[in-house]
Amino acid sequence: GESVGLHLPTLSVQEGDNSIINCAYSNSASDYFIWYKQESGKGPQFIIDIRSNMDKRQGQRVTVLLNKTVKHLSLQIAATQPGDSAVYFCAEILRGQAGTALIFGKGTTLSVSS
Amino acid sequence: EAQVTQNPRYLITVTGKKLTVTCSQNMNHEYMSWYRQDPGLGLRQIYYSMNVEVTDKGDVPEGYKVSRKEKRNFPLILESPSPNQTSLYFCASQTSGQGLSQPQHFGDGTRLSIL
Repeated sequence: GESVGLHLPTLSVQEGDNSIINCAYSNSASDYFIWYKQESGKGPQFIIDIRSNMDKRQGQRVTVLLNKTVKHLSLQIAATQPGDSAVYFCAEILRGQAGTALIFGKGTTLSVSS
Repeated sequence: EAQVTQNPRYLITVTGKKLTVTCSQNMNHEYMSWYRQDPGLGLRQIYYSMNVEVTDKGDVPEGYKVSRKEKRNFPLILESPSPNQTSLYFCASQTSGQGLSQPQHFGDGTRLSIL
């Protein structure tokens, strides 16, 4: 079954608002998480990542929070802009006896209106 | 410029006609992977390769083949395409250092329609 999922398939915000996109994961042994942004007609682009020994990591206008207690990952986008409109995917590295796999969530579509 | 290049970007073909989607990366990455993306199902891994001549099945390998004869290329082969393989396909690559704890670089996708 799906190991990584997102709470909401769509999120609509106004330009200038802060956006929060959530993701739940089920494997407590996962040690690396990534957020990707996918614009229409393009492949996923890396936004930010975080390792399990961290709770928070900040980039330019983006922050990823990791709560290992409840197995929850979130992406915060500050001062959301129309160019942020895209589908956002979380992904986790799943390591097992059969090898290592990157498991993607189903995605949240962020719509930013002016 | 570091990139993953897929060809073709779009293809409409008929059931049973063999086709190959090429993927090439210029970053000297060891790890390469193919995904398909379908509405409501997200990205699902088809095959991956840890290095030259090393390939493994992902979550949805049925009906697909791959090869990794050179480090930079990782073609996806559909020997006898069927309509249920109509999808958007992405190739990705990454360095295998740090136990794959590095972001993958994706191509811009290949939209296949099998009639």
